[in-house]
Amino acid sequence: DADVTQTPRNRITKTGKRIMLECSQTKGHDRMYWYRQDPGLGLRLIYYSFDVKDINKGEISDGYSVSRQAQAKFSLSLESAIPNQTALYFCATSGTEKTYEQYFGPGTRLTVT
Amino acid sequence: AQSVTQLGSHVSVSEGALVLLRCNYSSSVPPYLFWYVQYPNQGLQLLLKYTSAATLVKGINDFEAEFKKSETSFHLTKPSAHMSDAAEYFCAVKISSGKLIFGQGTELSVKP
Repeated sequence: DADVTQTPRNRITKTGKRIMLECSQTKGHDRMYWYRQDPGLGLRLIYYSFDVKDINKGEISDGYSVSRQAQAKFSLSLESAIPNQTALYFCATSGTEKTYEQYFGPGTRLTVT
Repeated sequence: AQSVTQLGSHVSVSEGALVLLRCNYSSSVPPYLFWYVQYPNQGLQLLLKYTSAATLVKGINDFEAEFKKSETSFHLTKPSAHMSDAAEYFCAVKISSGKLIFGQGTELSVKP
């Protein structure tokens, strides 16, 4: 079984709709992250959480919110989706080891029409 | 500010040829550096990492990278490309808060 899972894997939604992307992990890591990937821009950090009570904005948090329901679960919400939020979204986790290596989920491809 | 630059958004090589993917970083502290690979329709998978031990780092699938402080570079190489190496490759640097900053990615194509 995958260590980091994301649901849904693909989603098409309409402008103005609220949508939630979910991430679960079985690695026992405290740190979790949400990124979006756009062609030519690499991965950009949306939000991150270093433990259940710690939520931080990343470089592109506008239009997004998150919830850390438990150590293993970290959800990303788009309150009112817009077309330029069409992207590939990744969840990642890391432990507190010195090297901070991150482990990625398979991604959610979101299309906003 | 810390940053990562990957030179070349697309690289094409012939099967059996040398693979060279370039990465330069900017960091005010000794860096931790990473190369990740993304195969089609998959998440990112760690290829290798530099953690201030040996400057030549070996990773999976015969990839390796050399940390050169004087050039602020961490280029990824593989002696002989295989068709299965076709993917997108990302260089990343850990910044002081524990987060990673990623380069924009390089798509590697391998021609038969």
